[in-house]
Amino acid sequence: QQQVKQSPQSLIVQKGGIPIINCAYENTAFDYFPWYQQFPGKGPALLIAIRPDVSEKKEGRFTISFNKSAKQFSLHIMDSQPGDSATYFCAARSGTSGSRLTFGEGTQLTVNP
Amino acid sequence: ETGVTQTPRHLVMGMTNKKSLKCEQHLGHNAMYWYKQSAKKPLELMFVYSLEERVENNSVPSRFSPECPNSSHLFLHLHTLQPEDSALYLCASSQQGALNTEAFFGQGTRLTVV
Repeated sequence: QQQVKQSPQSLIVQKGGIPIINCAYENTAFDYFPWYQQFPGKGPALLIAIRPDVSEKKEGRFTISFNKSAKQFSLHIMDSQPGDSATYFCAARSGTSGSRLTFGEGTQLTVNP
Repeated sequence: ETGVTQTPRHLVMGMTNKKSLKCEQHLGHNAMYWYKQSAKKPLELMFVYSLEERVENNSVPSRFSPECPNSSHLFLHLHTLQPEDSALYLCASSQQGALNTEAFFGQGTRLTVV
């Protein structure tokens, strides 16, 4: 079973803090690593994604760090805001699986005012 | 808003009922998916349809029966469900091919089996 391990399960930070969510994978065929954000009552929405040929990608306040040798990647949220409170899922897919994604277990983030 | 619409949003059904979940995508994609989301578990891929053909069935019990009449519509027919089937059922679509696009999700149907 291809798996993506995600931690922590839940995370509470103060406004302005930098929450970090970590993921690890086993399958070296994975070549695309997206992060999804899900608010209550909504479906997951793509937040940011990275390919293993780069070690970091930034989009606004969101940064993915990627360590290919360790088979780990993480999401950092700079200057976090209460509106960032949501569940975050890391995922992975391989070129041979089309768009089929393997998801992590999810991290419930709470940013307190 | 997301281009993938699911109905109903909420469904309560008894174990002997038969019901169907509907998904419609307005993105011109050629692949559609059903996922099951349970609390504190990863999203579980249930079925994949590519060009209206089922290409993946991840050991899903036969009480779940998908149908894809065309590339824009996907159904999940439910019968004789169990309480442990209560979950959020998410539909997604994407474009598969030389340039795979991201998966776009609907808002889900919250299913409660009583």
